Amino acid sequence: EVQLVESGGGLVQPGGSLTLSCAASGFTFNRHWMHWVRQAPGKGLVWVSRIRSDGGYTSYADFVKGRFTISRDNAKNTLYLHMNNLGVEDTAVYYCVRDRSAITGTAGDYWGQGALVTVSS
Amino acid sequence: QSALTQPASVSGSPGQSITISCTGSSSDVGGYNYVSWYQQRPGRAPRLMIFEDSNRPSGISDRFSGSKSGNTASLTISGLQAEDEADYYCSSYTSSRIVVFGGGTKVTVL
Repeated sequence: EVQLVESGGGLVQPGGSLTLSCAASGFTFNRHWMHWVRQAPGKGLVWVSRIRSDGGYTSYADFVKGRFTISRDNAKNTLYLHMNNLGVEDTAVYYCVRDRSAITGTAGDYWGQGALVTVSS
Repeated sequence: QSALTQPASVSGSPGQSITISCTGSSSDVGGYNYVSWYQQRPGRAPRLMIFEDSNRPSGISDRFSGSKSGNTASLTISGLQAEDEADYYCSSYTSSRIVVFGGGTKVTVL
């Protein structure tokens, strides 16, 4: 059974940093692109970032470029999102998402339950 | 990058068919065969319903179908059921090598 379990969410002050982790199990982690997608309370889904199966390529939404870094440790079956210079607009549930492909990186077929990040003073 | 455009809400009676549109540009929806559709019920994580414009993942009912014409993709739900009441989101790969979502459509079963 595919499982994606996010951790590391919580309350952080504006300007602060936080790192989210996503522990993956039930599939061959190094054969899939992975994504982070967020959802502010009561709002829609917003794509944040993706990383290729081997970790050798990443891409980001413009609004996080230079502030967030996606990475993965294929030996530990874990995905990360390092977030710096957080603003109140970054408050959201962050979903770890497995892509259905090792090649295209365009469609998430398994989603974690999400980690809530709250940015507030 | 601008979000894809979806209607805020669509409704239908049980048994009817409804269609949700997703409009982008030649740089995203119209330029690639990489439109996906997701269903999200309240309090739940999203679920992939359609990938690569018109393909259904294993386990998804054939009442759900995807299509595309030019820069507009569509999700059709046939034989509408009460359990189909949810929010639906489209997404597309773009020429900037990123993914963009639509704003979401709330489907109500009357």
